Amino acid sequence: GENVEQHPSTLSVQEGDSAVIKCTYSDSASNYFPWYKQELGKRPQLIIDIRSNVGEKKDQRIAVTLNKTAKHFSLHITETQPEDSAVYFCASNTGGFKTIFGAGTRLFVKA
Amino acid sequence: DTGVSQNPRHKITKRGQNVTFRCDPISEHNRLYWYRQTLGQGPEFLTYFQNEAQLEKSRLLSDRFSAERPKGSFSTLEIQRTEQGDSAMYLCASSLRGPSYNEQFFGPGTRLTVL
Repeated sequence: GENVEQHPSTLSVQEGDSAVIKCTYSDSASNYFPWYKQELGKRPQLIIDIRSNVGEKKDQRIAVTLNKTAKHFSLHITETQPEDSAVYFCASNTGGFKTIFGAGTRLFVKA
Repeated sequence: DTGVSQNPRHKITKRGQNVTFRCDPISEHNRLYWYRQTLGQGPEFLTYFQNEAQLEKSRLLSDRFSAERPKGSFSTLEIQRTEQGDSAMYLCASSLRGPSYNEQFFGPGTRLTVL
């Protein structure tokens, strides 16, 4: 069935360094890939998304890349700050109603 | 607050009891989703409504779970004969229908603990 694998499960970086989170998906029909940030005790919030007709998208310090052939997509955070510390979830959607989430990456940014 | 709201925020119940949760989506959103999230995992899709119609339901959802959205506005999720394995955070999300795949806005969730 549909599946999204996310790595790493935990990531610790020094403030100012970059962080990269990688995901793979199984359903070749997937065409929408959102990324959510969830702070402790709070709801998931969309931080960036990418559609299958685009290979890369950037929004300030956050960028997402998509390789449809390899079924890989990645989140890149540059110049990390302590407030970037949270759990990040990747997800995929086939254009229907069902969104499949990865298991999450807990990012720690050390000051 | 004009975001998605959920009630109650916390529910503690004994095994075998029935529980019902409510979700109020953003007013102009006609799509509504229910997810379940356990510790250390991503949200797991349960079911989806477009207006009042329930269009998709996860195969993981047992017969003890039922959801309604009678007037296409708020939705309820009922769990009958709760089991300890039902303990989780139940998240509701809503989005606009459109030609693209619009952002889902999540509610704060209802944390269920089954003793």
